[in-house]
Amino acid sequence: ILNVEQSPQSLHVQEGDSTNFTCSFPSSNFYALHWYRWETAKSPEALFVMTLNGDEKKKGRISATLNTKEGYSYLYIKGSQPEDSATYLCASYTGTASKLTFGTGTRLQVTL
Amino acid sequence: KAGVTQTPRYLIKTRGQQVTLSCSPISGHRSVSWYQQTPGQGLQFLFEYFSETQRNKGNFPGRFSGRQFSNSRSEMNVSTLELGDSALYLCASTLGRGDQETQYFGPGTRLLVL
Repeated sequence: ILNVEQSPQSLHVQEGDSTNFTCSFPSSNFYALHWYRWETAKSPEALFVMTLNGDEKKKGRISATLNTKEGYSYLYIKGSQPEDSATYLCASYTGTASKLTFGTGTRLQVTL
Repeated sequence: KAGVTQTPRYLIKTRGQQVTLSCSPISGHRSVSWYQQTPGQGLQFLFEYFSETQRNKGNFPGRFSGRQFSNSRSEMNVSTLELGDSALYLCASTLGRGDQETQYFGPGTRLLVL
């Protein structure tokens, strides 16, 4: 993996459903993996910054895991609510690039 | 604590003109990064400034430049605008390095080049 890739590109779930997205990133020279939530007409808002292999972080109904050896992170949302509707971005920071490289995001829509 | 502010919020320019965008980071933050967002693309890194020095630069032509002042406020300039420069420009600030620290984003400046 040379770039940061996110899947799926978009997702449409019903209220109460649990869902998860994937972020794949270059595993060599890894420093950190960031997750952001970006609601329409607002600024991207940080969810997690993860650095250690096996890291698991949680914020309310949202949690994330990190596998630095194979270069992937999962974001989970339990019991999705309409207010979870947003684009979820991941970004990796490697020593090679010395900058945050963002994926194109997963757009989540939660309907009643 | 006030968040990251960007001015102007919206801008319309014509091809060939130049534009300057401004970003005021959160008080105490010394690092400011700039990103470009175009439809279908992820946030593309433009450059990062720390203590008035450009610390890193993305793969953008020399028409894109920036600077940071002693109060950490930053400006980016695009000269000889092209239609493809139409985008949302976001800045983000952090206390120190941008790698393991949360980036706090501003609301963005939406630039339309006609």
